[in-house]
Amino acid sequence: EVQLLESGGGLVQPGGSLRLSCAASGFSFSSYVMNWVRQAPGKGLEWVSGISGSSSRTYYADSVKGRFTSSRDNAKNTLYLQMNSLRAEDTAVYYCAKDLTVTRGLDYWGQGTLVTVSS
Amino acid sequence: DIQLTQSPSFLSASVGDRVTITCRASQGISTYLAWYQQKPGKAPKLLIYAASTLQSGVPSRFSGSGSGTEFTLTISSLQPEDFATYYCQQLNSYPNTFGQGTKLEIK
Repeated sequence: EVQLLESGGGLVQPGGSLRLSCAASGFSFSSYVMNWVRQAPGKGLEWVSGISGSSSRTYYADSVKGRFTSSRDNAKNTLYLQMNSLRAEDTAVYYCAKDLTVTRGLDYWGQGTLVTVSS
Repeated sequence: DIQLTQSPSFLSASVGDRVTITCRASQGISTYLAWYQQKPGKAPKLLIYAASTLQSGVPSRFSGSGSGTEFTLTISSLQPEDFATYYCQQLNSYPNTFGQGTKLEIK
């Protein structure tokens, strides 16, 4: 059974940093592109970042480029999102999600972790 | 970046109705489009990928069509569990943007 479990969310002050983790199980983690998608309270979905299976390629939304960094440890089956220079508008539930295959969509999602940026 | 515009943003319908949601892309994306269903407090669920391919386990009352810049999601006969918010997502190029969502409510 595929499982994705995010952790690391919490309350952080504007300008601060936070690292999210997503522990994966039940599939060949290194074979799949992994993604971060976020959802601000009461708002729609926003794709944040994607990272290839080998970590050779990373992609980011314009809204987080230069501030957020995706990485993965295939030996630990874990995906990370390092978030720096956090802003109030980064407040959201952050989901990790697995690619079905490249260009096909996201077939498995975690339960999400809430990040609140506030003073 | 490719923009996706869904219409309508809100839809009120009854059990048994046939409903259609449209997603328009700001430029051609072939059939690199997925549809998701999200219920309150839950993660999204993949319904359709490649514009028209039903994800495993998704009821056949859901169908998708389209290519290029215009796509539709159709629910042939609404069931009580279908009242949710629906999103399209383009996978043609990064960033893999989502539409703004369509909230389907019970009339």
